[in-house]
Amino acid sequence: SQTIHQWPATLVQPVGSPLSLECTVEGTSNPNLYWYRQAAGRGLQLLFYSVGIGQISSEVPQNLSASRPQDRQFILSSKKLLLSDSGFYLCAWSAPGGLTYEQYFGPGTRLTVT
Amino acid sequence: AQSVTQLGSHVSVSEGALVLLRCNYSSSVPPYLFWYVQYPNQGLQLLLKYTSAATLVKGINGFEAEFKKSETSFHLTKPSAHMSDAAEYFCAVSDMNRDDKIIFGKGTRLHILP
Repeated sequence: SQTIHQWPATLVQPVGSPLSLECTVEGTSNPNLYWYRQAAGRGLQLLFYSVGIGQISSEVPQNLSASRPQDRQFILSSKKLLLSDSGFYLCAWSAPGGLTYEQYFGPGTRLTVT
Repeated sequence: AQSVTQLGSHVSVSEGALVLLRCNYSSSVPPYLFWYVQYPNQGLQLLLKYTSAATLVKGINGFEAEFKKSETSFHLTKPSAHMSDAAEYFCAVSDMNRDDKIIFGKGTRLHILP
């Protein structure tokens, strides 16, 4: 069966510091991968998605970036965090080929920028 | 473009009472539809999905949803609420322009009153 991991689970970082969040998927090949953010009291905001290694689509212009160095690894980064980057970050995967659409989510990372 | 509207950002029901969470969608073609549940500080979990087969879809934890094309609705119901159902619920629709994306509603927080 497929599993999705995210780490760290929680993170407190000062403004201006760098960020690296990691997501890995097991038990599937060539998944579509997604990064979402949930700000307090708000819905899901799609940040990035990837349909293959090195293929990243950005949904929202911001100071965040994403990379996919391996088939089942998705990394969210920032060079300098802003207060507004605080939130709950979720990684998700879906099967390739558009046959089923549903996405499966990781446990999330709670980021607090101070 | 596809969109999802969830009526009511907060819904309260008494334990044992009927749960009804409303979702309306807009789509120019028959969509795939989903309901997800999110418990505090956790990722989203797929409750059920509609993929153009039976219009009444049964999911996990006793939830079900009915696809009504004439009303463009996909409301989530459960006959008898349990305290453990307290969570946030998201309705989502497939993005028919991109076979690798789904569009989420803003979510409804369900409160269960003892």
